[in-house]
Amino acid sequence: SSELTQDPAVSVALGQTVRITCQGDSLRTYSASWYQQKPGQAPVLVIYGKHNRPSGIPDRISGSSSGNTASLTITGAQAEDEADYYCNSRDSSGYHAVFGGGTKLTVL
Amino acid sequence: QVHLVQSGAEVKKPGSSVRVSCKASGGTFSSQTISWVRQAPGQGLEWIGGITPMFGTPKYAQKFQGRVTIIADESTSTDYMELSSLRSDDTALYYCANLRGSWNDNWLDPWGQGTLVTVSS
Repeated sequence: SSELTQDPAVSVALGQTVRITCQGDSLRTYSASWYQQKPGQAPVLVIYGKHNRPSGIPDRISGSSSGNTASLTITGAQAEDEADYYCNSRDSSGYHAVFGGGTKLTVL
Repeated sequence: QVHLVQSGAEVKKPGSSVRVSCKASGGTFSSQTISWVRQAPGQGLEWIGGITPMFGTPKYAQKFQGRVTIIADESTSTDYMELSSLRSDDTALYYCANLRGSWNDNWLDPWGQGTLVTVSS
């Protein structure tokens, strides 16, 4: 079982806003990063340092964190945002990395 | 800008070992931390371990302790992940990725293209 918990699936209507969350006690100490994975492709970093976007990631994707929960928000979801999203951080010991179970985002 | 290129697909028998390589370019290899992550078919991402050449000692997820060896060859800027005693449930895509950031704020970017390892009799 993962030390980071994500909802397995979330859906959003085209153009609407969706929040994907990641919960874990280690997030009180360690920041989360977020990855987008489309079918047949390697994961791509979309958020790091809680809320920073790499170049090329659209600004409709944002990150935040509070307490033991990290969040990825997509404001005005587009069809191309449909993907699996994974959070990543440290485990409670801080020694090892750990991933959330992933959230499958469907854009309706 | 770091770029990672992995070795090609492998088909292995149960009980055997597999070695996957990850060649890095565009950065300072000795200070780069390369992590290994796998993804079984239809499943999520799973961290296997990682290594920073200048520190030498790799870290492994407890699940893989005793079965995995990660090494870094500075002469060729290539990292290797070897998994032994292969089972059918080791069938997965294996990725290497560059770990960046600080002790409490780190992220994986970029990722290699992935190497499919199939374990089948």
